Amino acid sequence: DSGVTQTPKHLITATGQRVTLRCSPRSGDLSVYWYQQSLDQGLQFLIHYYNGEERAKGNILERFSAQQFPDLHSELNLSSLELGDSALYFCASSVSLTGIETQYFGPGTRLLVL
Amino acid sequence: AQTVTQSQPEMSVQEAETVTLSCTYDTSENNYYLFWYKQPPSRQMILVIRQEAYKQQNATENRFSVNFQKAAKSFSLKISDSQLGDTAMYFCAFMKRVGGSARQLTFGSGTQLTVLP
Repeated sequence: DSGVTQTPKHLITATGQRVTLRCSPRSGDLSVYWYQQSLDQGLQFLIHYYNGEERAKGNILERFSAQQFPDLHSELNLSSLELGDSALYFCASSVSLTGIETQYFGPGTRLLVL
Repeated sequence: AQTVTQSQPEMSVQEAETVTLSCTYDTSENNYYLFWYKQPPSRQMILVIRQEAYKQQNATENRFSVNFQKAAKSFSLKISDSQLGDTAMYFCAFMKRVGGSARQLTFGSGTQLTVLP
């Protein structure tokens, strides 16, 4: 158990819908990262928040957005869903340990768009 | 942009034997970090080992060790005394600082390792 929690574990929805994925980082971690794992694209970085502020964006679609709240939990919002958005979505949080920023991953949310 | 290449999509090894997984990367950065993560059938991403680019000494973690060749941009993972529980997809990952505290991971495509009884 990494200490990072994600809800829900599974999500089935229809095209055109909107969903929200939730992540709670490890206690004390200020950074939250979101990644998407799909069969065709592999593991891709989406976005990074640090202490409530967006710090970096990766291959995140405009239909996707995220935020980090004062209690440091984060939400990833996916809208106008398409079949190709079906994937495993991970969040990770980080702690600085001897200078290496290691990211610890949550169990993921498996999204299926029908 | 950084790229990470894992040229072995699948590998197998007999229990108790040693196996080496390959990883190469491309970057113009001088200061960066490298990681190996494993993803067992549960799909959880689990950190295996990490290496700082400025350290010449190869990292070791129990049965796991790396061979880090900075000039060659190579970062292979050696698993000794392989166990059935080592069966998983293994991802090599590169991290660089992107200003301030932003540190994103770039992953390779993974190597599926199967440990055979």
